[in-house]
Amino acid sequence: DQQVKQNSPSLSVQEGRISILNCDYTNSMFDYFLWYKKYPAEGPTFLISISSIKDKNEDGRFTVFLNKSAKHLSLHIVPSQPGDSAVYFCAARWGGSQGNLIFGKGTKLSVKP
Amino acid sequence: KAGVTQTPRYLIKTRGQQVTLSCSPISGHRSVSWYQQTPGQGLQFLFEYFSETQRNKGNFPGRFSGRQFSNSRSEMNVSTLELGDSALYLCASSFATNEKLFFGSGTQLSVL
Repeated sequence: DQQVKQNSPSLSVQEGRISILNCDYTNSMFDYFLWYKKYPAEGPTFLISISSIKDKNEDGRFTVFLNKSAKHLSLHIVPSQPGDSAVYFCAARWGGSQGNLIFGKGTKLSVKP
Repeated sequence: KAGVTQTPRYLIKTRGQQVTLSCSPISGHRSVSWYQQTPGQGLQFLFEYFSETQRNKGNFPGRFSGRQFSNSRSEMNVSTLELGDSALYLCASSFATNEKLFFGSGTQLSVL
């Protein structure tokens, strides 16, 4: 049973436009959410996170929104750049500092010039 | 500061063999986690070690095992390899446990 779901395996966006990557979760005990970006032949790199006590966190071009009632979070990239083309993984954790991270299957973002 | 180092980078084995993968965490990090990535399956959690003790374990068979040494370096072992074990194995370290993971580049294991 998948607890963290990224239902779109891929997304294509024009350079300069907004990219919106979505993630749904089933476990209401999750209290911390993260986004990672992964380029081919490299390990994932941390992008941005959000605690369950917040509904928005911003870092430059990247903003994560959390809707706890819908058990949904999204990553907005504005404006999108070709260098943003990568696989994006959503991850969630529960149990304070004791829980391990559960990852979604990833969404491959392609930003076209 | 050096990042997470995984060796070897690539590995080719045959069914039935066993394999050991190595991970050196970022200096000062005491938690090491291992993940398996296969096409279409995302990152699946294998186990996490903190101060030489296994703290969490994912839903993998007993053929998958690991350990952590006093210097926080970790090894992962897979015995009796199966074709389905072909994957990218990623190691991640963190200062405490799983708050923000820093990943290595992974070991690409191919089982023939």
